[in-house]
Amino acid sequence: GENVEQHPSTLSVQEGDSAVIKCTYSDSASNYFPWYKQELGKGPQLIIDIRSNVGEKKDQRIAVTLNKTAKHFSLHITETQPEDSAVYFCAASGGNTNAGKSTFGDGTTLTVKP
Amino acid sequence: KAGVTQTPRYLIKTRGQQVTLSCSPISGHRSVSWYQQTPGQGLQFLFEYFSETQRNKGNFPGRFSGRQFSNSRSEMNVSTLELGDSALYLCASSTGLAGVQETQYFGPGTRLLVL
Repeated sequence: GENVEQHPSTLSVQEGDSAVIKCTYSDSASNYFPWYKQELGKGPQLIIDIRSNVGEKKDQRIAVTLNKTAKHFSLHITETQPEDSAVYFCAASGGNTNAGKSTFGDGTTLTVKP
Repeated sequence: KAGVTQTPRYLIKTRGQQVTLSCSPISGHRSVSWYQQTPGQGLQFLFEYFSETQRNKGNFPGRFSGRQFSNSRSEMNVSTLELGDSALYLCASSTGLAGVQETQYFGPGTRLLVL
């Protein structure tokens, strides 16, 4: 089935710096790649997503890039703030091996130091 | 519009018991997916329901089952609980087939502790 690898598992940055989280996927037919932010005691919340016909998408301080050839996508957070501290998950879906469900990466714990 | 709701939020059971968790999707959403989240295994897909039919199933034993009602509300059941079933159980809803370029919206989860 689909396999999604996410790196790094933990990331610590100073407030105002940028943070980058990378994911690779195995099913070349996957066509939808959401990113979720999970705060303590809450369920994952969608922060941005990208579809396979787009290479990059930006929403204020958050951007996602997709390289279909290399089968990897990345989350970029600029001007980080303490409230960005959370666990971030990438996911892939819609491919031949996982149509109808999402396969998640193992998560990245981001800590933004004031 | 109200979000995905899950009940109960917390649950303590003992080994061998069974448990039923409930999920109410966002109004208008017909697809409900269930995930198990543990520190060691991350988010693992359990199953997905669409229009009262199970459309996809993950690699979990038959002790894990679910169903969906005509109003799209869903329940999942775990029988003969084991210590390893302790986890956060998350429900996610979407308008159509979850994962097929469909955004999933998650509930807050039910935290199950098996003693």
